[in-house]
Amino acid sequence: GENVEQHPSTLSVQEGDSAVIKCTYSDSASNYFPWYKQELGKRPQLIIDIRSNVGEKKDQRIAVTLNKTAKHFSLHITETQPEDSAVYFCAASSPPNDYKLSFGAGTTVTVRA
Amino acid sequence: EPEVTQTPSHQVTQMGQEVILRCVPISNHLYFYWYRQILGQKVEFLVSFYNNEISEKSEIFDDQFSVERPDGSNFTLKIRSTKLEDSAMYFCASSQGDTQYFGPGTRLTVL
Repeated sequence: GENVEQHPSTLSVQEGDSAVIKCTYSDSASNYFPWYKQELGKRPQLIIDIRSNVGEKKDQRIAVTLNKTAKHFSLHITETQPEDSAVYFCAASSPPNDYKLSFGAGTTVTVRA
Repeated sequence: EPEVTQTPSHQVTQMGQEVILRCVPISNHLYFYWYRQILGQKVEFLVSFYNNEISEKSEIFDDQFSVERPDGSNFTLKIRSTKLEDSAMYFCASSQGDTQYFGPGTRLTVL
């Protein structure tokens, strides 16, 4: 099955700096890669996703890049703010054959004011 | 904006007891899922459900687990005889296709 590795496990950044989280996946059939933000005790909230037919997607301060050849994808947060502090999970799936999400282990991001 | 809802938010039970966790998926969604998250660990897939049947299940989803869509709105996860290691946060999710939206979770504590 799919194995998603995520690094780093913790990330501390100064407010205003950028944060980058990297994930690798093992199954070349995976073609959908969402990122979820989870605040303490809350539900995982979808923040951005990318499909394998594009290499990059941006939404305001958040961007995701995908390298299909190397089987890795990354989340970039620019101009970080204290409210960006949370656990971020990457995930992968291979719709329409397989919708189940395989998650990375998560990155705890702390933005220092 | 519609959201997935789950009840109860917290369930405490004794080992060996049966529990039912309830979910109301987003109304026009066709695919339903259960995931669990043991404290401090990654979210793990349990089961997916489509067209009134299980479409896929993980090795965690053994004979003690079952799912049901008893009516047009609810989606339930039953654990027949709970074990200590079933203690976790259980998330329901739903989707029309690939994008899944998660509920707030039910924290299950087995004593």
